[in-house]
Amino acid sequence: DGGITQSPKYLFRKEGQNVTLSCEQNLNHDAMYWYRQDPGQGLRLIYYSQIVNDFQKGDIAEGYSVSREKKESFPLTVTSAQKNPTAFYLCASSLTGLDGYTFGSGTRLTVV
Amino acid sequence: SQQGEEDPQALSIQEGENATMNCSYKTSINNLQWYRQNSGRGLVHLILIRSNEREKHSGRLRVTLDTSKKSSSLLITASRAADTASYFCATSRLNTNAGKSTFGDGTTLTVKP
Repeated sequence: DGGITQSPKYLFRKEGQNVTLSCEQNLNHDAMYWYRQDPGQGLRLIYYSQIVNDFQKGDIAEGYSVSREKKESFPLTVTSAQKNPTAFYLCASSLTGLDGYTFGSGTRLTVV
Repeated sequence: SQQGEEDPQALSIQEGENATMNCSYKTSINNLQWYRQNSGRGLVHLILIRSNEREKHSGRLRVTLDTSKKSSSLLITASRAADTASYFCATSRLNTNAGKSTFGDGTTLTVKP
């Protein structure tokens, strides 16, 4: 079955550490996205990529980095520069970007 | 500022009743999408309506779009306890990098058995 997989489901980060969240899709979608969701709020766009080897900053890119070396994969690194990283992170993909998104099940990141 | 804003923020109804939630946006759009999110889970795509469409149906869901008022509504008919979730609208703007959708803060729907 086609889908989008995020791992891990839960992640704990110590102060000053970088952590990488995985996002893999087998839907053959061109576009991929990372969103952040804080409790009781909507989704805010971190980074997005419309094609392999290309990506753009979203609304809240500071303290995050991404790569898109393969069509299937769009990992997100939360760096130590991100001052308030505790949140629910959602990865999504879209066939062209102008149709509906398929979301992963999310990664809950907590700073300890 | 929010491109998509849902109203109301929270809605509580009895099973069998209809639920209506609204989304307003500020700039011209390519399309508008509605999603459902169960607590602690990812979002599920419900319906996409394009700017040249006025109404779409999918099962018990009905979405309308009024581009002159920059608003959309999602109607869930004959609601069930399983419809309890948060509902988000998202808009893909015209004349911007393709495929960058902006989400609102959502409407939390509670359906009481």
